[in-house]
Amino acid sequence: NAGVMQNPRHLVRRRGQEARLRCSPMKGHSHVYWYRQLPEEGLKFMVYLQKENIIDESGMPKERFSAEFPKEGPSILRIQQVVRGDSAAYFCASSPGDRINTEAFFGQGTRLTVV
Amino acid sequence: AQSVSQHNHHVILSEAASLELGCNYSYGGTVNLFWYVQYPGQHLQLLLKYFSGDPLVKGIKGFEAEFIKSKFSFNLRKPSVQWSDTAEYFCAVDHLTDKLIFGTGTRLQVFP
Repeated sequence: NAGVMQNPRHLVRRRGQEARLRCSPMKGHSHVYWYRQLPEEGLKFMVYLQKENIIDESGMPKERFSAEFPKEGPSILRIQQVVRGDSAAYFCASSPGDRINTEAFFGQGTRLTVV
Repeated sequence: AQSVSQHNHHVILSEAASLELGCNYSYGGTVNLFWYVQYPGQHLQLLLKYFSGDPLVKGIKGFEAEFIKSKFSFNLRKPSVQWSDTAEYFCAVDHLTDKLIFGTGTRLQVFP
């Protein structure tokens, strides 16, 4: 059973471009969480999704950021018109139920660098 | 706002030394507590967790943590570290919501 798969592992974008980060949850998991880790900071919650639904997006910046988890395919975190301050590691976690604290598993992260 | 503090940002030890990493949280109600580890180039893995019961929790690889409610603390300990314990360690708290709140992490380097 493959773990949570994130790709790409490393992504370089110029300012103003779009970044798309993908997360394939573990088999049988229907709940996905995205976290961001800025340099020298802890992981900060961004968004919690179930299939086709955004449950909690209280940690998402109000502009340029969006997330989806379609019925088929991976969850996508999309950042439009990236700026230098978006450079960070983005982690995805998945769980089978609605409580991350029981059986959540993390991916290896995508390290975004904006130049 | 709820927060998690890890006061040690970078710890350097020799093999066989004892380890204690501090973790304090700010929420006064019921909490679930976690320690995660991230080895170089790998994903976060759960080391141990506390939900209720015995406040001394044993995890994988010889790690343990003690929940002291009066001090709002959940410190991680290991009696004798190994070079393979070199990693980043994150404390996290769940206030019975759908999101974990993480500390800033502690980078541990163990030298042979």
